[in-house]
Amino acid sequence: GAVVSQHPSWVICKSGTSVKIECRSLDFQATTMFWYRQFPKQSLMLMATSNEGSKATYEQGVEKDKFLINHASLTLSTLTVTSAHPEDSSFYICSASKPGLPEEYFGPGTRLTVT
Amino acid sequence: AQTVTQSQPEMSVQEAETVTLSCTYDTSESNYYLFWYKQPPSRQMILVIRQEAYKQQNATENRFSVNFQKAAKSFSLKISDSQLGDTAMYFCAFRGGFGNEKLTFGTGTRLTIIP
Repeated sequence: GAVVSQHPSWVICKSGTSVKIECRSLDFQATTMFWYRQFPKQSLMLMATSNEGSKATYEQGVEKDKFLINHASLTLSTLTVTSAHPEDSSFYICSASKPGLPEEYFGPGTRLTVT
Repeated sequence: AQTVTQSQPEMSVQEAETVTLSCTYDTSESNYYLFWYKQPPSRQMILVIRQEAYKQQNATENRFSVNFQKAAKSFSLKISDSQLGDTAMYFCAFRGGFGNEKLTFGTGTRLTIIP
């Protein structure tokens, strides 16, 4: 199997606070994990790529100080949205890939609402 | 840079009929992978089918099959005997060969199966 979980599935936070989203590969060790953002009725936008034990690689235009990514183990990556603002409200999706395989397995996503 | 184009924003088809979703891509690489992902209303991204560019045989997964035309850089998805559960957004995606770890997504096609 290839199951990826995300927690929480939905979070509401106040402007100025930070929120952490967890992504776990439940039945495999993930060499690489990815974080995406998806706006309503749009495609997925890659934010960053992370490998266990090393710094994440951010896509152009993504603020690394605002979206902190930590890939602490082969089964866990976290995304922390710091000093969240209403414009950060979105659907965040993580994915993970297995060693030697090209496809990504996606988590169920986290809906973030910043009030 | 690779690009993926899905020219059909929306499609609808009667239940039990066959439908084909189009996808074209642009790349200078010779070795790469192509995918179709499905995103139902739950927003969970699900891998539908994968095609390796070096394989001439078209991939098939139950009711889902692809028509991979490498020279034309075309990768269409055929859904046979469509079911209500096939209602979803369908994204075509490209990944380069060894060393390229990013997925490039198309803009998606919203497919509705009509009972």
